[in-house]
Amino acid sequence: SQKIEQNSEALNIQEGKTATLTCNYTNYSPAYLQWYRQDPGRGPVFLLLIRENEKEKRKERLKVTFDTTLKQSLFHITASQPADSATYLCALDMDTGRRALTFGSGTRLQVQP
Amino acid sequence: GAVVSQHPSWVICKSGTSVKIECRSLDFQATTMFWYRQFPKQSLMLMATSNEGSKATYEQGVEKDKFLINHASLTLSTLTVTSAHPEDSSFYICSAVSWTGQNQPQHFGDGTRLSIL
Repeated sequence: SQKIEQNSEALNIQEGKTATLTCNYTNYSPAYLQWYRQDPGRGPVFLLLIRENEKEKRKERLKVTFDTTLKQSLFHITASQPADSATYLCALDMDTGRRALTFGSGTRLQVQP
Repeated sequence: GAVVSQHPSWVICKSGTSVKIECRSLDFQATTMFWYRQFPKQSLMLMATSNEGSKATYEQGVEKDKFLINHASLTLSTLTVTSAHPEDSSFYICSAVSWTGQNQPQHFGDGTRLSIL
């Protein structure tokens, strides 16, 4: 079965620095990969989607890379702000027919002012 | 756009009670909705996939007679936890996708915190 690992449970960085979060997966070749942000007691909010034939995608201060050979995605937040503090989840499609997602356990990012 | 509303946001009830949770897509039509459960400090676990007008598809280990799902319209899906017990206490979250093409993101509701006493 699919397995998704996010590199660390928690990550603390200083304001202004770049946060880099890692998502590794095994036993699967997803057609696309998504990143979500989740605040405590709230539902996830979609951030970025990257397809298997795309190596990089950007949105404002966010950047996602997708290496299908390494089976890894990196999620970067540049010029981080305290408001970026949240849990970030990566998710893979379970199979394209259903569009259901398998989620990683998340990385809790804390940006210190 | 792409707003999903979930109601109620929290509920506390006695063991043995049945609880209904609603998930509505407010500004788009959702042919497919998903129901997830999340325990503290854990990730979302898919419970079932709900397609409008057809029976839900449940994940392995999820009791379909305990977690009743109805997707009667393109904007509404409901999850009923029947005869709830303390071990059913969790954070239940729905999401929705529109019919417009593959590789679309899921839009999530804000979840329902269910506490069974």
